[in-house]
Amino acid sequence: AQSVTQPDIHITVSEGASLELRCNYSYGATPYLFWYVQSPGQGLQLLLKYFSGDTLVQGIKGFEAEFKRSQSSFNLRKPSVHWSDAAEYFCAVGSYGQNFVFGPGTRLSVLP
Amino acid sequence: DAGVIQSPRHEVTEMGQEVTLRCKPISGHNSLFWYRQTMMRGLELLIYFNNNVPIDDSGMPEDRFSAKMPNASFSTLKIQPSEPRDSAVYFCASRSGLDEQYFGPGTRLTVT
Repeated sequence: AQSVTQPDIHITVSEGASLELRCNYSYGATPYLFWYVQSPGQGLQLLLKYFSGDTLVQGIKGFEAEFKRSQSSFNLRKPSVHWSDAAEYFCAVGSYGQNFVFGPGTRLSVLP
Repeated sequence: DAGVIQSPRHEVTEMGQEVTLRCKPISGHNSLFWYRQTMMRGLELLIYFNNNVPIDDSGMPEDRFSAKMPNASFSTLKIQPSEPRDSAVYFCASRSGLDEQYFGPGTRLTVT
């Protein structure tokens, strides 16, 4: 069965600290992977996506993610967190012609 | 492009009333998705369409929920009769082929 797990329900970091949000997936076909961000009261916005090629992908707002097939992971990273990064982050997996499967989300809080 | 358009943005109704949520996908997109988001259940896929045809409606909670897509530029999600437990934010998203899903701003539904 297709599934996405985000082990951390809630993470708190200090502004300026580095960040890593974990995402693991179980998917039968070649996965296409996505990270979305949702600010309070807003819809979901795409941060970055991986289809093929270089396993380290760059996204908007200074985020990057690394696809590790051997670990079935697609962790999201940012070297220095800003207060405006406080939001909910969703990992998703899909493939051509198939619906996405979204993870449960990780809520990020940023301390001043 | 204006992005995915949803209306209304907020809806407050009384239990037992019919509620209709509307979505206009991005022009040229051939897949449309309806999601429901609550604190308890997170982001749930209700139904999705490919080329106006419903592909998977297994997420529709019960017969009170129905969705239609009469043409490529319009979809509705109807709840009849509505119940307080239907209170949630309902998102519509659209996609073209393999591309990522683009989310609308959501409709916040409150059933009293």
